[in-house]
Amino acid sequence: QVQLQQSGAELTKPGSSVKISCKASGYTFTSYDISWIKQRPGQALEWIGAINPGSGGTGYNEKFKGKATLTVDKSSSTAFMQLSSLTPEDTAVYYCASPGYWFAYWGQGTLVTVSS
Amino acid sequence: DIQMTQSPASLSASLEEIVTITCQASQDIGNWLAWYQQKPGKSPQLLIYDATSLADGVPSRFSGSRSGTQYSLKISRLQVEDIGSYYCQQAHSNPPTFGGGTKLELK
Repeated sequence: QVQLQQSGAELTKPGSSVKISCKASGYTFTSYDISWIKQRPGQALEWIGAINPGSGGTGYNEKFKGKATLTVDKSSSTAFMQLSSLTPEDTAVYYCASPGYWFAYWGQGTLVTVSS
Repeated sequence: DIQMTQSPASLSASLEEIVTITCQASQDIGNWLAWYQQKPGKSPQLLIYDATSLADGVPSRFSGSRSGTQYSLKISRLQVEDIGSYYCQQAHSNPPTFGGGTKLELK
């Protein structure tokens, strides 16, 4: 069955960067885009962007350009998202999700806390 | 970006009651709409896609409908396991956008 396994919680300082991962299994990794979605405590969901694991092509929400960078490692079927210049407003749970238009599969979420 | 206005923001209902949640799109999105359920501390789960199609494994008491740019999620007979938050999402245009959510509680 399709599984997306995310890396563990991160505690980071303002101004720093963090890189979180999403390991896919149960399907051909290059078949479907992987999206990243942000959820701040008690708030709604925001789509950050998506990557095509086969081509490496990316698409970003304008709001997150310069904040998020999406990459993949095909050899390990893992997608990554790096968040830079972190501020307290980046404190959130970040999900990876697939496939494309409809997010039928979700990772368990990674909590990123930005605090001095 | 397409705005998805979801209502109500919160809802209290009794077991076996009929529950309806609506989402208004800021422009025509056709049937490019999905509904998700999220339980506390868990990832969202896809319930409905293409506005009216039930996702695999979702109970038949859930249904979706469309009238123009207004979309509705109906739970025909509320069960205790349906408690949580619900979100709509449009997939017509990039970026995909979500409604603000509806928190469903038991009365």
